[in-house]
Amino acid sequence: KAGVTQTPRYLIKTRGQQVTLSCSPISGHRSVSWYQQTPGQGLQFLFEYFSETQRNKGNFPGRFSGRQFSNSRSEMNVSTLELGDSALYLCASSLNAGNLQETQYFGPGTRLLVL
Amino acid sequence: DQQVKQNSPSLSVQEGRISILNCDYTNSMFDYFLWYKKYPAEGPTFLISISSIKDKNEDGRFTVFLNKSAKHLSLHIVPSQPGDSAVYFCAASASTGFQKLVFGTGTRLLVSP
Repeated sequence: KAGVTQTPRYLIKTRGQQVTLSCSPISGHRSVSWYQQTPGQGLQFLFEYFSETQRNKGNFPGRFSGRQFSNSRSEMNVSTLELGDSALYLCASSLNAGNLQETQYFGPGTRLLVL
Repeated sequence: DQQVKQNSPSLSVQEGRISILNCDYTNSMFDYFLWYKKYPAEGPTFLISISSIKDKNEDGRFTVFLNKSAKHLSLHIVPSQPGDSAVYFCAASASTGFQKLVFGTGTRLLVSP
């Protein structure tokens, strides 16, 4: 079974631009979560989607948004990029078969550099 | 407020010996704990998990221990191998928090031959 895939793997943008990152979960997984990893803040939860609905959101500004499609694929968007948005953005998926104690499986991440 | 803490930023161990990585948490609502291994520029790889109804879970060379009263968990790797060298993250979630994982800051493990 293929793992979580994320595209693109690397991205360079300039301040003020916007960016869209894509995530395809493991086949059959219905929940998709996004995390940001930076050297200063570590791994931080952005948001989680299930059945095309955002169920949970971390403490990030409204410039960070996302969505999920009917096939469980997800995208996240960052508008008006700032230098501090440079990070590794990780997507994780889980089965969400009703058991809330579920393991999340991560993709390889998208490395975003904002200049 | 750091709800999940890994107080040792690094750990060095010789091949064949035991590696013990520690993690403390403050939120008593956490009821599921996971350990992930991570290489630079890659996503975390799931290693092992434990539910709060257990105090020990084993999977091959990896064992996780949970002490709920102390709000402490540890990962034991026996025997340690050079390929285990990576950053290890402890993560926790609460059943009421859906799929939100709260991560520790990580411990860099170096296993030398």
